[in-house]
Amino acid sequence: DTEVTQTPKHLVMGMTNKKSLKCEQHMGHRAMYWYKQKAKKPPELMFVYSYEKLSINESVPSRFSPECPNSSLLNLHLHALQPEDSALYLCASSQERASGRALEETQYFGPGTRLLVL
Amino acid sequence: QKEVEQNSGPLSVPEGAIASLNCTYSDRGSQSFFWYRQYSGKSPELIMSIYSNGDKEDGRFTAQLNKASQYVSLLIRDSQPSDSATYLCAVTGNQFYFGTGTSLTVIP
Repeated sequence: DTEVTQTPKHLVMGMTNKKSLKCEQHMGHRAMYWYKQKAKKPPELMFVYSYEKLSINESVPSRFSPECPNSSLLNLHLHALQPEDSALYLCASSQERASGRALEETQYFGPGTRLLVL
Repeated sequence: QKEVEQNSGPLSVPEGAIASLNCTYSDRGSQSFFWYRQYSGKSPELIMSIYSNGDKEDGRFTAQLNKASQYVSLLIRDSQPSDSATYLCAVTGNQFYFGTGTSLTVIP
C-alpha cells in the first residue's frame, strides 16, 4: 500500500483564522514532508521530518507551523496566512534507510489540500 | 543557473510516437534521480527512479542517466493521450530539487 492521505481536500480560510492540515501514512516510512505548489510551478519543499524530528525547514514563515505527533501523522498548523499563501499543499513520505539521507529515497505524495486564503 | 533544468515545453507528439523528456542538473554530487508525472490539479506520481548510469526500463518508460554529462532523460514509447501531463524531474543529493517540469501533450 503506497497511500498517503491528506485532509481536508479543500480549505477556505480568512487571514485571521487558525486551521490545520493533516497527513497520514501507514507504509512504515520514517520521513515525511510538506510541500507548497503554486499553479504551473513545481512543488517547493517546506519541511522535512525524520524520525519525528524536524530536520529541514526551508526558511518557511512562522505562520506555518509543522507538527509530527507520531511516525504516521504529520500536521501543518496555519495561522494569520496571507492571500499569497493560497496554493496546493502536498504531503509526502519516504523511507530513510541511511541516517540523514531521506531525501535520496522515493517520495510518495498524498492528493494534496487546496488552500484558498481570503 | 538553476539546480535542475527542464525544457518547459509544451511538447506535443502524435499518438504512438516516442516522447523524449530531458533534464540537466548542476550538483555533481547528486545520487538519486526521479521522474514524476503530474496531471493538472493532481499530486505528483512516481514514474521512475534511477541511481546508476545507463538505462532503466519499465514498460513503455525508459529512464537514462549520464552522471558525467549531468543529464537524465525519460523516453515514453507508444505515447498515449493519457500520457498528457506535466513531467517533473527531481534530483537529490544533500538537497532535493524539482525541475520546473515539461508539459507533454499527446495528440490522438
